[in-house]
Amino acid sequence: NAGVMQNPRHLVRRRGQEARLRCSPMKGHSHVYWYRQLPEEGLKFMVYLQKENIIDESGMPKERFSAEFPKEGPSILRIQQVVRGDSAAYFCASSPVGTGSNEQFFGPGTRLTVL
Amino acid sequence: GQNIDQPTEMTATEGAIVQINCTYQTSGFNGLFWYQQHAGEAPTFLSYNVLDGLEEKGRFSSFLSRSKGYSYLLLKELQMKDSASYLCAVPRGGNTPLVFGKGTRLSVIA
Repeated sequence: NAGVMQNPRHLVRRRGQEARLRCSPMKGHSHVYWYRQLPEEGLKFMVYLQKENIIDESGMPKERFSAEFPKEGPSILRIQQVVRGDSAAYFCASSPVGTGSNEQFFGPGTRLTVL
Repeated sequence: GQNIDQPTEMTATEGAIVQINCTYQTSGFNGLFWYQQHAGEAPTFLSYNVLDGLEEKGRFSSFLSRSKGYSYLLLKELQMKDSASYLCAVPRGGNTPLVFGKGTRLSVIA
């Protein structure tokens, strides 16, 4: 059973370009969470999605950032017009049900570097 | 809201025991998680506590006191490979987005 998959593992963008980060949850998991980890900082929640629904996006910046989890295919975190401050590790996690007692399984992360 | 506090760094000797503390403030408790994260890697699940007391799992144990808003992770017989960051996290209300502490970076030395 494959774990949570993320690609690319490393992404380099110049300021002003777009970054697309992909996440495929574990088989049987329908809940996806995106977190951002800045250097020397803890993981910060960004957005929580189920298939075709955004459940909670309170941690996501209002501008330039968007996320989706379509009926078919991976979840996408999209960052438009990237700035240097967007450089971070972006982790996706999935869980089978949306209750507090369920462990979240993390993907290997995408390390975004903005030049 | 939630607030989590844990020490930034700790150092311990190979073969020893180390206790990593975590205090939390939350508006509704749905359990507490500990994750391990090696540098440049994904967090991996260590433990989940929802009731008071000690839960033991091999060399790792986790303790919870809900009345004190306090948890600790106990690592016994430390090995070099235990050098990592240890993250304390609580869910936000009824949903599972997790609120993480900044993590405790543990260095195990010979």
